[in-house]
Amino acid sequence: AQSVTQLGSHVSVSEGALVLLRCNYSSSVPPYLFWYVQYPNQGLQLLLKYTTGATLVKGINGFEAEFKKSETSFHLTKPSAHMSDAAEYFCAAISSGSARQLTFGSGTQLTVLP
Amino acid sequence: DTAVSQTPKYLVTQMGNDKSIKCEQNLGHDTMYWYKQDSKKFLKIMFSYNNKELIINETVPNRFSPKSPDKAHLNLHINSLELGDSAVYFCASSQEATEYEQYFGPGTRLTVT
Repeated sequence: AQSVTQLGSHVSVSEGALVLLRCNYSSSVPPYLFWYVQYPNQGLQLLLKYTTGATLVKGINGFEAEFKKSETSFHLTKPSAHMSDAAEYFCAAISSGSARQLTFGSGTQLTVLP
Repeated sequence: DTAVSQTPKYLVTQMGNDKSIKCEQNLGHDTMYWYKQDSKKFLKIMFSYNNKELIINETVPNRFSPKSPDKAHLNLHINSLELGDSAVYFCASSQEATEYEQYFGPGTRLTVT
């Protein structure tokens, strides 16, 4: 079964610093990969997705992620953190044959320090 | 225009009661889902449903049942509520043509006392 691992349940960065949130997947067949953001008391919003093609994908709010098959990783980055980026971030995957069901990582709480 | 909406936003009820959460999407998507987010914010799929098939996560108790009156709605019925059912429940929808990108509703916070 597909599994998604997010390293670091809490990440703190200073405003203006690089944001790096880590995600690894387990499937031997590259899945579709997603990053979602959840602001307090809200639903999940899609940041970006990888399906096929270019391995560096750009999303909303200045975020991007790179699919690395050799490392089974899909880490999320942003060059310069903003206070408004403070939220919970979820990496997720859909594998072929999984009936379109997302498997989520455990989430990473991002804190941005002034 | 809300793409995926859920009602109610908050639901407080007692153990043993039966309750429903409604979900509607106006995106024309062909598949809808229910997820449960526990107190540690872990998200788990409960059901996925389109007009062809219902996929049930085997760990979901049969007290939970999805009901779809039409393509735009997928309601969640819960019988004999238990304390452990307290969580935030999210509805989502997707379209196969857009590579399964899922749109989420705002969530329903269920508290069982």
